[in-house]
Amino acid sequence: GAVVSQHPSWVICKSGTSVKIECRSLDFQATTMFWYRQFPKQSLMLMATSNEGSKATYEQGVEKDKFLINHASLTLSTLTVTSAHPEDSSFYICSARTGQRKTGELFFGEGSRLTVL
Amino acid sequence: SQQGEEDPQALSIQEGENATMNCSYKTSINNLQWYRQNSGRGLVHLILIRSNEREKHSGRLRVTLDTSKKSSSLLITASRAADTASYFCATAPSNFGNEKLTFGTGTRLTIIP
Repeated sequence: GAVVSQHPSWVICKSGTSVKIECRSLDFQATTMFWYRQFPKQSLMLMATSNEGSKATYEQGVEKDKFLINHASLTLSTLTVTSAHPEDSSFYICSARTGQRKTGELFFGEGSRLTVL
Repeated sequence: SQQGEEDPQALSIQEGENATMNCSYKTSINNLQWYRQNSGRGLVHLILIRSNEREKHSGRLRVTLDTSKKSSSLLITASRAADTASYFCATAPSNFGNEKLTFGTGTRLTIIP
């Protein structure tokens, strides 16, 4: 199946700093990528939909100025957590869809664990 | 509240036994998918069942879907230690497809060797 790579897999930062997480589709072009957040032992919550060449669509309750998403190419989307605080500590997972159809299969990255001190 | 609620939240069985997990959802769906997540890792897609299908098999996996009851079950037969993981159902709504996948609360499965 298609491969989605996330980097870094884990990161520790101080409060107030910004952290960038990359999501790359390695062997296919992804016009749409999705960013999720997962708290320990909980489900995944969709944060935003990232569309190549346009602004991301954020889910209700997700601060777009806090979680900056850039989808500059067909193989790369980035999530930047700005001015991170301890409550932003979480597991962030991206997924990418192959093809244009909304029912196209999704492939998930390995996730990035963010710890804010 | 969660679109998908899974039952049980946790399940421990002996290796070789069958494991059954259930998922209930609330709204109309295009398809329902099951994923596995090993601890601290990403999600692995297991199987997808469309709203017009009632049962689907893939290796040791059997998925059923009852749209009248808005529920699905995942059966893993002849379980192995490597099946230890969390299992999530995810629903794709009729109008958004996979654009708005909503995940269930998950079942933590432990296979005892």
